[in-house]
Amino acid sequence: NAGVMQNPRHLVRRRGQEARLRCSPMKGHSHVYWYRQLPEEGLKFMVYLQKENIIDESGMPKERFSAEFPKEGPSILRIQQVVRGDSAAYFCASSTGTANTGELFFGEGSRLTVL
Amino acid sequence: DAKTTQPNSMESNEEEPVHLPCNHSTISGTDYIHWYRQLPSQGPEYVIHGLTSNVNNRMASLAIAEDRKSSTLILHRATLRDAAVYYCILRDYGQNFVFGPGTRLSVLP
Repeated sequence: NAGVMQNPRHLVRRRGQEARLRCSPMKGHSHVYWYRQLPEEGLKFMVYLQKENIIDESGMPKERFSAEFPKEGPSILRIQQVVRGDSAAYFCASSTGTANTGELFFGEGSRLTVL
Repeated sequence: DAKTTQPNSMESNEEEPVHLPCNHSTISGTDYIHWYRQLPSQGPEYVIHGLTSNVNNRMASLAIAEDRKSSTLILHRATLRDAAVYYCILRDYGQNFVFGPGTRLSVLP
């Protein structure tokens, strides 16, 4: 059973470009979480999605950021018109979502560098 | 979200037990206590979780106070590979997982 797969692992963008980060959850998992981690800082929650639904997006910046988890295919975190402050590691996690078994499985992260 | 408080950092000697504390005085009756850790340059990994009773697994033990306002993660014999940031998280069903700053554990050879 493959783990949570994130790609690309490293992404370099110039200011103003778009960044798309993909996350394929573990098989059988229907819940996906996205977190951002700035250098030397903790993980900041961004968004929690279930298939085709956004459950909690309270951590998403109001502009330029969007996330989706379609019925088929990976979850996508999209950052439009990137700025230097968007440089960070973006982690995706998945879970079965059942009750409070609660175990999150994390990917190895996508490291975005904005020049 | 309920809050947790952890020391910023702790040190341990290799092969000695480590007790990592977490205070969560505002915990609600349906909050589970979760522990994750993050090794350098990696994504977090699950360690253990519990509700009221103490829990043991192959990685660690979780001791939960009777009033549930605090808990302690116990690593029975620290190894160099246990050096990581350890996060204590409260989570109710359907909520997201909110990570605080955690405790940075250093293990000395």
